[in-house]
Amino acid sequence: EAQVTQNPRYLITVTGKKLTVTCSQNMNHEYMSWYRQDPGLGLRQIYYSMNVEVTDKGDVPEGYKVSRKEKRNFPLILESPSPNQTSLYFCASSLRGQGEQYFGPGTRLTVT
Amino acid sequence: AQTVTQSQPEMSVQEAETVTLSCTYDTSESDYYLFWYKQPPSRQMILVIRQEAYKQQNATENRFSVNFQKAAKSFSLKISDSQLGDAAMYFCAYRSPSSGSRLTFGEGTQLTVNP
Repeated sequence: EAQVTQNPRYLITVTGKKLTVTCSQNMNHEYMSWYRQDPGLGLRQIYYSMNVEVTDKGDVPEGYKVSRKEKRNFPLILESPSPNQTSLYFCASSLRGQGEQYFGPGTRLTVT
Repeated sequence: AQTVTQSQPEMSVQEAETVTLSCTYDTSESDYYLFWYKQPPSRQMILVIRQEAYKQQNATENRFSVNFQKAAKSFSLKISDSQLGDAAMYFCAYRSPSSGSRLTFGEGTQLTVNP
């Protein structure tokens, strides 16, 4: 089954404790993105990747890091999480930049 | 930079009736793509319908159709014969051909369907 998976689905952590949210797709897609969803703001892109070892900033990259060492994986790293990073996070992938985006199930992150 | 605005934070409709969700956007580009996504309580993002700006014909997918007014930069979603399963948050989104895979989303409209 073609899908985008994210882990964990729920995470509660404390300020400053490094964490990684994993994202994996099995569709051999080139493009992958991370978004965060906040009430009243919709979804905003954090980072995106056009292929292995190629990444670029989206609209709200501050406080986040990404890497793309393998085509199927695109982890999101928060090296020193802060409460303002409490949000719902989505990973998405598409075959091409203009192709339909497939979204993962979301990760609910709470930073206390 | 492009912006997308959904001016209706909440809408409600009676089952079997029709409802229209509004979306406006701001862009200086002539070629782009517009989307409506549905997010049910499961939080999964589900593509409902897409529209290419170069196509004059409004997109339709079963009970879902759009009214695309390019000059007015308006992209509304009409849901006919509303069903209880249509209750969800609906997001309008814009994508530029030059922005790679980035989608610019509106704030969302929470749709309630009353039995």
